[in-house]
Amino acid sequence: ETGVTQTPRHLVMGMTNKKSLKCEQHLGHNAMYWYKQSAKKPLELMFVYSLEERVENNSVPSRFSPECPNSSHLFLHLHTLQPEDSALYLCASSQEFPSANYGYTFGSGTRLTVV
Amino acid sequence: TQLLEQSPQFLSIQEGENLTVYCNSSSVFSSLQWYRQEPGEGPVLLVTVVTGGEVKKLKRLTFQFGDARKDSSLHITAAQPGDTGLYLCAGEEGPSFGNEKLTFGTGTRLTIIP
Repeated sequence: ETGVTQTPRHLVMGMTNKKSLKCEQHLGHNAMYWYKQSAKKPLELMFVYSLEERVENNSVPSRFSPECPNSSHLFLHLHTLQPEDSALYLCASSQEFPSANYGYTFGSGTRLTVV
Repeated sequence: TQLLEQSPQFLSIQEGENLTVYCNSSSVFSSLQWYRQEPGEGPVLLVTVVTGGEVKKLKRLTFQFGDARKDSSLHITAAQPGDTGLYLCAGEEGPSFGNEKLTFGTGTRLTIIP
């Protein structure tokens, strides 16, 4: 399998649940990103990992917890979310951070609904 | 952080027509990228422009970077239903190409009616 793969594609969770989003890249990239995409808003950068080290955390609430166990895998752990957290969560990778030379490769996203 | 405004926000036209969408900022970009996002998928990179005044063509799509590197346009000739999607511009902040992360624009949602 090539590119960036995200699972699950769809997730419905209650506000008291704990769930995790998974992202896997097979491109040999060194940087991985989590973005939040909501209606009528630009893509919001949440977290960046470069060579498995977190290099950016953009004031994201603690109910979102990222994990990068190796350069190919990225997780986003979710707990006690709010309805306003419902959105499309996109994972992306790039050859390096912060370089955007060759662009970002995105996964298909996880459509999250918090009820 | 640069704010990238895209216009129009929504555009719906008939198959075969031409269209132009815009990406503007008050700041200078060191480079700019265009992505297309189809329903249910993530954005896919279409092009990167680096030099002020640069024009790049990708089949029926023409991308232009403004001379001052503050704006960009995407022109589609003879639009087809397969062009439907959300078009995102993304600017690289900072003075030098290849050294900064991307900031994404607000997007133009394009619908081509068969």
